[in-house]
This record gives sequence, structure tokens and C-alpha cells, in this order.
Amino acid sequence: EVQLVESGGGLVQPGGSLRLSCAAAGFTFSDHYMDWVRQAPGKGLEWVGRIRDKAHSYTTEYAASVRGRFSISRDDSRTSVYLQMNSLKREDAAVYYCTRVRDSSWYGSYSDYWGLGTLVTVSS
Amino acid sequence: DIQLTQSPSFLSASLGDRVTITCRPSQGISSYLAWYQQKPGRAPNLLIFAASTLQSGVPSRFSGSGSGTEFTLTITSLQPEDFATYYCQQHNSYPFTFGQGTRLEIK
Repeated sequence: EVQLVESGGGLVQPGGSLRLSCAAAGFTFSDHYMDWVRQAPGKGLEWVGRIRDKAHSYTTEYAASVRGRFSISRDDSRTSVYLQMNSLKREDAAVYYCTRVRDSSWYGSYSDYWGLGTLVTVSS
Repeated sequence: DIQLTQSPSFLSASLGDRVTITCRPSQGISSYLAWYQQKPGRAPNLLIFAASTLQSGVPSRFSGSGSGTEFTLTITSLQPEDFATYYCQQHNSYPFTFGQGTRLEIK
């Protein structure tokens, strides 16, 4: 059974930093890209970014709203993916989900499993 | 960035009804569209990928169609557990944008 468990959320002041973790189990982690998606309270979903696998040099993609402030990394030996968030703004407050990506040349590349999410609050 | 416009934003329907939600990208995305269901306080759940392929374990009353710049999600014979918010997401080009959501409520 695929399991994704996020952690590291909490209260942080504007301008501060936070590192989220996502521990994965139940699948061959190293074979999959991983995404982060967030959802502000009462709002819709926003794609944050992606990290590819070793075969694709662990390259990353980011939404414009977080590029230069957020950084995604992974540790295949720990089957974990991370989201380093710096220079946090009030508008970054959200539930952050990590997702497993299913990548197929035929079907494209989409999130098929989601974690439960971790809440980030940005307030002074 | 590709904008996704869902319609309607809010839908009221009765048990057993057939409903259709539309998602229109601002530019063509071939068939690279997924649909997700989200219930309050829960993570989204994948229903359909590649516009029309049903995810394993999803009931057959859910179906998707379309390509390019118009897509639909259809739910036939609404069940109590189907009342939720539905999102489309394009996975054609970065950033992988979502629609604003369609909230489906019981009439």
C-alpha cells in the first residue's frame, strides 16, 4: 500500500524558514518523480513543484510564486522528499501535500497518490 | 501559464442525478488532464487521468472525455459519497495548473 506522510509544518513568522518532509513507503520510491501541492485555507489547489528521479538528474520545476524561495530535494536512501521554504510570506500559509507522480510517455505525468498534508501557518 | 476554467463553480443535484462538469484550458493540452475529488478535511483523490482513463478502484459511474481545449467529467447516478469538490489539473506543461474547483452539493 502506498503511503505518504508529511511532517514539519507549524507556525512561522513572515520572512522565516521551514523544512517539510514527506516519508514514502509501499512503492519503489527511487523510480518516481514527486510533487508538492498546496491548498490555502478555504481555497483551491496550487501546484508548487516537482523533483524528478535519478535517471533525470533529480532536476526540479517550480511554480513562479515560489521559485527562488522554495527548494525541493530528495533522499532515495531514506525514501523521503523535502520542501525547503525560505523567505516565507503570509500567502504561503496552506496545507502542503506531497504526491507521487506516475510518469508515462503515453498518459503523461500526474499525481496518483497524495499524503494527508501538513499545515503551515505564517503569522507574526 | 495555462489557465483552467471550470464550470459551474457550484452545482446542486439530487441522489441519482447525472451531472457534468466542464474544464476549459486557455490553450490546447492534448489529453493531458486529470480529475480529482476532494472531500472536506481530506486529501484529493485521483479519479481520471489522460482525460478519460479511470483510475483503478474508482467507480464506473465516473467518466471523463475531451481533448485540446474542452474536457468534461460526468458522474451518472449520484451517490451520497459523491458530494465533494472536484478539480481538473493539466499536466501538459509547467506549471501544472488546477482549475478553481466545482463544489457539488446535495439539493
